[in-house]
Amino acid sequence: GQQLNQSPQSMFIQEGEDVSMNCTSSSIFNTWLWYKQDPGEGPVLLIALYKAGELTSNGRLTAQFGITRKDSFLNISASIPSDVGIYFCAGPNTDKLIFGTGTRLQVFP
Amino acid sequence: EAQVTQNPRYLITVTGKKLTVTCSQNMNHEYMSWYRQDPGLGLRQIYYSMNVEVTDKGDVPEGYKVSRKEKRNFPLILESPSPNQTSLYFCASSWRGTGELFFGEGSRLTVL
Repeated sequence: GQQLNQSPQSMFIQEGEDVSMNCTSSSIFNTWLWYKQDPGEGPVLLIALYKAGELTSNGRLTAQFGITRKDSFLNISASIPSDVGIYFCAGPNTDKLIFGTGTRLQVFP
Repeated sequence: EAQVTQNPRYLITVTGKKLTVTCSQNMNHEYMSWYRQDPGLGLRQIYYSMNVEVTDKGDVPEGYKVSRKEKRNFPLILESPSPNQTSLYFCASSWRGTGELFFGEGSRLTVL
């Protein structure tokens, strides 16, 4: 089936650093969603993007909908320990969402 | 409080012993779905339901059954569990399949 590729697969950073991750697809999407999964919890929606080129922020998080509509980027500025978790991108495929394989983020004090 | 509730949260069972994981949502969502999460494979959809009495296979439906008799409930049934069904399972709901999904807290299943 259709796949979303996320990179990097994992990141180990120091508190205060900025983080960048991306998600790419072989086909075009009209919506990009970014979710975060805290350890031991279910994923929670962080940001939704609905228009090519759109740049949306949610606190220290900024996400962009790529111009080609085949990719999206998530940036976290000035990371803190509670940013630890797995970040998933997702996009609609006919009548359902498909998810990327996730980027696991570890933040060290 | 708007939520998706799954039970049990943790379960250890043996091969072949039928089990059901319940899922209930209180947001009047029409769409509900089950996912399994395995290391390195992300979230893979098992089954989904667009509305009451309407269910369809996701990407990995083998070995699972579902039913949607009421809008709020969407149980996942493993008729004869096998060790390769050891996984972390999530139920989710939304107004429509391609919109924001609300996830439950997960059910960690181990099949021995």
